[in-house]
This record gives sequence, structure tokens and C-alpha cells, in this order.
Amino acid sequence: DTGVSQDPRHKITKRGQNVTFRCDPISEHNRLYWYRQTLGQGPEFLTYFQNEAQLEKSRLLSDRFSAERPKGSFSTLEIQRTEQGDSAMYLCASSLAITQAKNIQYFGAGTRLSVL
Amino acid sequence: AQSVTQLGSHVSVSEGALVLLRCNYSSSVPPYLFWYVQYPNQGLQLLLKYTSAATLVKGINGFEAEFKKSETSFHLTKPSAHMSDAAEYFCAVSANAGNQFYFGTGTSLTVIP
Repeated sequence: DTGVSQDPRHKITKRGQNVTFRCDPISEHNRLYWYRQTLGQGPEFLTYFQNEAQLEKSRLLSDRFSAERPKGSFSTLEIQRTEQGDSAMYLCASSLAITQAKNIQYFGAGTRLSVL
Repeated sequence: AQSVTQLGSHVSVSEGALVLLRCNYSSSVPPYLFWYVQYPNQGLQLLLKYTSAATLVKGINGFEAEFKKSETSFHLTKPSAHMSDAAEYFCAVSANAGNQFYFGTGTSLTVIP
């Protein structure tokens, strides 16, 4: 075992390019979450999935951001036409939502994006 | 709506001294509250959580937190700081323990030898 895995750990891109990040949750976890964390701030919720269904996406930062979890296992977060303001740490978390009291989010180490 | 406020973006304590990190929450419904720790270049690790059971919650690494509804607080404490406690600490609130977390801005803890 293995915890939540994110790839790549670091991504440097030029403004205007598209980037895609991958998150592999803890196996059997049915929920998967994406957050953005900028310097000096706490994580900011973006979206989450229950199995393959995206249940909340209104907090995605713009229509340039999209996420998928096609088979209910790994997920991808894509940012199109990147801007310098997109530079941040992108965190993924997963949980096993059996009961509310036991629904604990486990975080990956994150993907640090730098847009030049 | 839910939110948390962490008072003090930086806290310094001497090794062996009491650690107190403050968190106040706002929630329109009974909240679920969490403390996470983040070491450099790592993800967040859960320290402890409050989910409407006991108001005094014990977590890992000797940390504990007390839910005080009257004060809308969930402060994190540890009786004796260790050098390895130096990290960023985040308080988070959720209205339903899992769908959306709202994090505070974090408190950076420095432990002075």
C-alpha cells in the first residue's frame, strides 16, 4: 500500500500550453477530490468524484479546468491554455465514504505546476 | 456556509513547551472539524478529527483538540513540543464530513531548540 499517488510531482510549462495531472487513489476508495494550494494558503477545493460520477464541479476555477475519472479508479485534472496564475500545487485526496464519521480524506504529495 | 479562521500564521515555541494552535470555525450546520499537518513537499496528513462524538479528540503524535461549541473553536494542543513537530498545520471544516472541506490559511509552527 500505498497511499494516494500523484504524477508528475513537478511540471513546468509555458503559458498557453495544456497540462494534465494524474491521481491514483488508495485502492477501493470510492471518493476522489482535487484541490489547489497556492503559497501561504490552505487547499482550495476544486471538484470531487464518487466512483466515476463527478458530483461537484462548480468550484472549478474556470472552464479551462476539467477533471475525469472514467473508470472510477484514477483521475486526471487538465488545465487548458495555462496562465501564470495557474501556478500552484495541485493536491489529490481520496476517501472511503461509508459513513460520514469515517469519511477521512487521505492526500497525495501533490503536483507542483509552474507556468512560465 | 462553512469557513475556518486560523489565528496566527506563524507560531514559535521552545522545544518542550506547550503548543497551542488556534482555529475558529463558522458553520450553519453542526460541523465536522479536522486538523491536518503538512511537511515540506509532502501532502497533508490527518492529525485528528471531530465528528460529533467526544468533544476532546486525541490524535497522532501526542496532539489533541477540544471542540467548544460556545466559542466556535477547535484549538490544537500538544503538551510538549518536539523538533519534529515543525510543520504547517491546517484546520478544516466540513458540513457533512466528506464532500467539501474548507481549509484555513494554515499556521507554520517553528520549534526552537
